[in-house]
Amino acid sequence: EAGVTQFPSHSVIEKGQTVTLRCDPISGHDNLYWYRRVMGKEIKFLLHFVKESKQDESGMPNNRFLAERTGGTYSTLKVQPAELEDSGVYFCASSQEGPYNEQFFGPGTRLTVL
Amino acid sequence: DQQVKQNSPSLSVQEGRISILNCDYTNSMFDYFLWYKKYPAEGPTFLISISSIKDKNEDGRFTVFLNKSAKHLSLHIVPSQPGDSAVYFCAALHSTSGTYKYIFGTGTRLKVLA
Repeated sequence: EAGVTQFPSHSVIEKGQTVTLRCDPISGHDNLYWYRRVMGKEIKFLLHFVKESKQDESGMPNNRFLAERTGGTYSTLKVQPAELEDSGVYFCASSQEGPYNEQFFGPGTRLTVL
Repeated sequence: DQQVKQNSPSLSVQEGRISILNCDYTNSMFDYFLWYKKYPAEGPTFLISISSIKDKNEDGRFTVFLNKSAKHLSLHIVPSQPGDSAVYFCAALHSTSGTYKYIFGTGTRLKVLA
């Protein structure tokens, strides 16, 4: 069974540009999460989808970040316009229904904003 | 304010010896804790978990201990192997009003010396 996949693996953009990250969860997983890790710091929660609905977006830094999950399958996270402090590794995770089911993480997208 | 803390950024241990990784938390409402392991350029992978109704959970070479009164948990790896060299993240499940997310610590880099 395929795991969580993320695209691209790396992205280098200039400040002010737009970047869209994509996550494909494990098939059948209704829960999809986005997290971010800035170098040396904790892995920080951004938001949680249940199917296509945003269940919790309390971790989204500001309105430059927009996450979507059309049809309850893959998800995108768009940053527009990107700022220097948005650099980090963005992880996507998915899980089956319920809080105690393991969250499976993708390999992450390393975003560098210059 | 960080609710999950891993105060040791790194740890070196000889192969065959015990590795002890520590984690402290501040929120007494947390009732489920996890350890994830992360290799470079990969996403975190689940290692072991513990519910707050237990004080110990064991899985092969890995044991997690929970001290609720001290709000402290630890991961013991015995015997340590070079393949255990990775960054270990402690996480707590934060569950409220039907939403749930992991609150991670900053990680401890374990190096097992051959």
